[in-house]
Amino acid sequence: QKEVEQNSGPLSVPEGAIASLNCTYSDRGSQSFFWYRQYSGKSPELIMSIYSNGDKEDGRFTAQLNKASQYVSLLIRDSQPSDSATYLCAVGSSGGSYIPTFGRGTSLIVHP
Amino acid sequence: DAGVIQSPRHEVTEMGQEVTLRCKPISGHDYLFWYRQTMMRGLELLIYFNNNVPIDDSGMPEDRFSAKMPNASFSTLKIQPSEPRDSAVYFCASSPLSATYEQYFGPGTRLTVT
Repeated sequence: QKEVEQNSGPLSVPEGAIASLNCTYSDRGSQSFFWYRQYSGKSPELIMSIYSNGDKEDGRFTAQLNKASQYVSLLIRDSQPSDSATYLCAVGSSGGSYIPTFGRGTSLIVHP
Repeated sequence: DAGVIQSPRHEVTEMGQEVTLRCKPISGHDYLFWYRQTMMRGLELLIYFNNNVPIDDSGMPEDRFSAKMPNASFSTLKIQPSEPRDSAVYFCASSPLSATYEQYFGPGTRLTVT
């Protein structure tokens, strides 16, 4: 059973701070990793993808991947109240199918 | 592009009734996925299609659930008969062949079975 683990939170940070969201996965052969953002009552929206070890930056968002530790994270710099949402980590299968495994998500609250 | 379209957005029905959820994927996308999301179980994959062909339906909870994709622009998820424990938000998502893992989700259908 391939698993993706996230702390459910909520993670509460003040406006302007760095929010750090973490995810671990069990499938050592996984090669693709994704972060989705889901606002309350809305559908998941893909915000970041990362395929290689290291950091990938996109605006205020940075995804970090460490395959040896089976760990992927999302950093949000200068957090804004509009970043308050649930962040889902998804990991691509290594087994030849095209089914990503989703974590349960971490709820982020950015308070003014 | 209009994105993934789902209908209805909300459905309230009584136990034992048949429910049909509809999805129109993004034009040109090869893969279509049906998910169910609840607080207890998170986001669960029910079934997915590649070029209108069902590939993996191992996530379908039981025989009361069925899904079809008669053409590239339309899919249905049917529950017959419905039960209160089917209450959830059902999402349809699609993705292109070039980036299968990068899924685009529809707005979802919130199903309530009383």
